[in-house]
Amino acid sequence: QSVLTQPPSASGTPGQRVTISCSGSSSNIGSNTVNWYQHLPGTAPKLLIYRNNQRPSGVPDRFSGSKSGTSASLAISGLQSEDEADYYCAAWDESLNGPVFGGGTKLTVL
Amino acid sequence: QVQLVQSGAEVKKPGASVKVSCKASGYTFTSYYLHWVRQAPGQGPEWMGIINPSDGITIYAQNFQGRVTMTRDTSTSTVYMELSSLRSEDTAVYYCARGGGSGLFDYWGQGTLVTVSS
Repeated sequence: QSVLTQPPSASGTPGQRVTISCSGSSSNIGSNTVNWYQHLPGTAPKLLIYRNNQRPSGVPDRFSGSKSGTSASLAISGLQSEDEADYYCAAWDESLNGPVFGGGTKLTVL
Repeated sequence: QVQLVQSGAEVKKPGASVKVSCKASGYTFTSYYLHWVRQAPGQGPEWMGIINPSDGITIYAQNFQGRVTMTRDTSTSTVYMELSSLRSEDTAVYYCARGGGSGLFDYWGQGTLVTVSS
């Protein structure tokens, strides 16, 4: 059971906008920034969003992140087939004194 | 470019130990912490601990204290993660990841599948 809660799946058609939620508590998301990772099975996970809403160099601006209270969201606009992957949120947890992750959301592009 | 290259898949029997390596290149090895994160089948990632390659100081997640040992070899820019007393629940893909103390991981290894089976 992961500390952060994500929906197990999400889907959309090419060109659509989809959002993925991530729910935590005051000891993690409520007091620290959120990072998002994109993972294609068999490859190394990739940092997608850091510090709630910052994109690393090379990540398209179709990807955006936000945080409010103890929840965060990842939005993907102009959905493309290559966006089909697993997405994970993560944040530092003050109680556990370490980073915690969500269970992951499998995004399907229909 | 930054690369973290891990050792190959392992199959171990319950009670045995496994040692996974992670060789870093493309940056100054001693300037960034390295973490170990594992992901069991069908589950989310789980943080195992962190090592400072500069001085070898480690911090382990509570769930793994007493069973995990992280070390480094600065001559080869390689970090190691050894997990002992393996049980079936330790079957997972193990990743090394570069990051700071906050747990923001900017580069990851390709993962090493460890299967524990009798």
